[in-house]
Amino acid sequence: KAGVTQTPRYLIKTRGQQVTLSCSPISGHRSVSWYQQTPGQGLQFLFEYFSETQRNKGNFPGRFSGRQFSNSRSEMNVSTLELGDSALYLCASSLAAGGPDTQYFGPGTRLTVL
Amino acid sequence: DQQVKQNSPSLSVQEGRISILNCDYTNSMFDYFLWYKKYPAEGPTFLISISSIKDKNEDGRFTVFLNKSAKHLSLHIVPSQPGDSAVYFCAASELKLIFGQGTTLQVKP
Repeated sequence: KAGVTQTPRYLIKTRGQQVTLSCSPISGHRSVSWYQQTPGQGLQFLFEYFSETQRNKGNFPGRFSGRQFSNSRSEMNVSTLELGDSALYLCASSLAAGGPDTQYFGPGTRLTVL
Repeated sequence: DQQVKQNSPSLSVQEGRISILNCDYTNSMFDYFLWYKKYPAEGPTFLISISSIKDKNEDGRFTVFLNKSAKHLSLHIVPSQPGDSAVYFCAASELKLIFGQGTTLQVKP
């Protein structure tokens, strides 16, 4: 069974631009969560989608948004990029939403904002 | 406010010895805890988990201990191997996963 895939793997943008990241979950998984990883901060939860609906949201500004499609693929968008948005963005998929169901992570998208 | 904390950014042990990674949490409503391992340029991979109704769970060389009264969990790796060198994240579940900052484990041959 194929794992979680994320595209692109690396991205370089400049301040003020916007970016869209994509995540394809494991086949059969309907929940997709997004995380931001920065040095010393661990993984910060961004949001979770299940059956095309946002089920949970972390403490990030409205510049960070996401959506999920009917095939469970998900995208996250960051508008008006800031230098502090440079991070590894990880998505994870699981069978169910919320709770202890094991999440399986993709390799991440490394975003650099110049 | 960091609800899940890993206070040791790094740990170095000799091959064959025990590695003990620690994690503290503040929210008594957490009902499930997980450990993930992360190699560079890869996403975290699930290692082991424990329900709040248990105090120990074993899987091969990996054992997780949960002390609810102290709001503390630990991961024991015995014996440690060089391939265990990675960043280890603990996570707690309450509708979503909340991760600690991670501990970098280095196992020296």
